[in-house]
Amino acid sequence: AQSVTQPDIHITVSEGASLELRCNYSYGATPYLFWYVQSPGQGLQLLLKYFSGDTLVQGIKGFEAEFKRSQSSFNLRKPSVHWSDAAEYFCAVGLSGGGADGLTFGKGTHLIIQP
Amino acid sequence: DGGITQSPKYLFRKEGQNVTLSCEQNLNHDAMYWYRQDPGQGLRLIYYSQIVNDFQKGDIAEGYSVSREKKESFPLTVTSAQKNPTAFYLCASSIIPRRGEKLFFGSGTQLSVL
Repeated sequence: AQSVTQPDIHITVSEGASLELRCNYSYGATPYLFWYVQSPGQGLQLLLKYFSGDTLVQGIKGFEAEFKRSQSSFNLRKPSVHWSDAAEYFCAVGLSGGGADGLTFGKGTHLIIQP
Repeated sequence: DGGITQSPKYLFRKEGQNVTLSCEQNLNHDAMYWYRQDPGQGLRLIYYSQIVNDFQKGDIAEGYSVSREKKESFPLTVTSAQKNPTAFYLCASSIIPRRGEKLFFGSGTQLSVL
């Protein structure tokens, strides 16, 4: 079965500094990869997704992610964080093939922004 | 505006009581999903539905039931058999019932036990 690992439970970054959130997946083939963001008490909003093609994906709010097949990783980056980026971030994997059993999510990384 | 509406925002359950969480979407999406979110545990799939009058169990279906009588509605019932129901419940949908489709989420329902 596929799995997603987000190694960092919490990350603290100073406002204006760069950010990288890590995500590793376990799956035999190339999966569909997603990053979602969740504000407290809210649903999840899609930041970006990778299906195929260019391994560097641009998303909303200035985020980008890079798919590295050799490392089974899909890390999320932002060059300069803003206080409004403080939230919970989830990496998710979707399999190819038939059926519609949703996505498999990592346990999330809580991002704290220091002034 | 199109979207997914979950209600209520907060819900309290007494011991032995069944409660129903509402999920309505006006996106004309075929597939709908229920996830449970516990702190530090990410999201876990409870049930999903690819089409009206059809649904399948996810990873943690025990103690829950669903129905899909209309395309736009996918209510979740938390039964008394669910011994640890306190969690944040998220409803989601996708345009077509295909693996790898991006999910659109509602704003969630927080269920607590009295």
